[in-house]
Amino acid sequence: GAVVSQHPSRVICKSGTSVKIECRSLDFQATTMFWYRQFPKQSLMLMATSNEGSKATYEQGVEKDKFLINHASLTLSTLTVTSAHPEDSSFYICSAITGVGETQYFGPGTRLLVL
Amino acid sequence: GENVEQHPSTLSVQEGDSAVIKCTYSDSASNYFPWYKQELGKGPQLIIDIRSNVGEKKDQRIAVTLNKTAKHFSLHITETQPEDSAVYFCAAIPMDSSYKLIFGSGTRLLVRP
Repeated sequence: GAVVSQHPSRVICKSGTSVKIECRSLDFQATTMFWYRQFPKQSLMLMATSNEGSKATYEQGVEKDKFLINHASLTLSTLTVTSAHPEDSSFYICSAITGVGETQYFGPGTRLLVL
Repeated sequence: GENVEQHPSTLSVQEGDSAVIKCTYSDSASNYFPWYKQELGKGPQLIIDIRSNVGEKKDQRIAVTLNKTAKHFSLHITETQPEDSAVYFCAAIPMDSSYKLIFGSGTRLLVRP
């Protein structure tokens, strides 16, 4: 149980375009989802916390207009990277908690390359 | 706020030997400590966790110990196998943090066949 999926697994886009990444909890309802960014050989950096039906809470230094997060249902959260630039290229990972406890289950990640 | 430090950054062991990774945390109110394994190009996978009211937890070849007084916790992998090679992250959740994980910097484990 507690499976989280992400789509797409990798995406290449041109500079200036927007990219949407989906995060789904497959076998449980996720009260809270998290979005992380990871650079090569580094730890995970929390970008924002997403609660179903409410606005996301962004970490300091993360541009909310740049990284749009929508948590429309208890099984789906989306991250949209708007007007992507090469410096946005990274590995984006989501996680979810079931609401029963604090354990976070991670998705497989999405590798974004902006040309 | 909470700060988690992890050592070593890299660890190379011979297959069959044990591996130990250590983490320290700063916030004495932290009460949940998970360990994640991340293989190349994949998301982190929870391998074991421990809560502050427990001193040790074991799951087959993997064990975690917690010393609340010293504010440190360790991951122990016995009888290592090549498939244990990955990056391991410790983390802590401070109380009243809305379940935000504070990660250590990671340990790259290489198990030599």
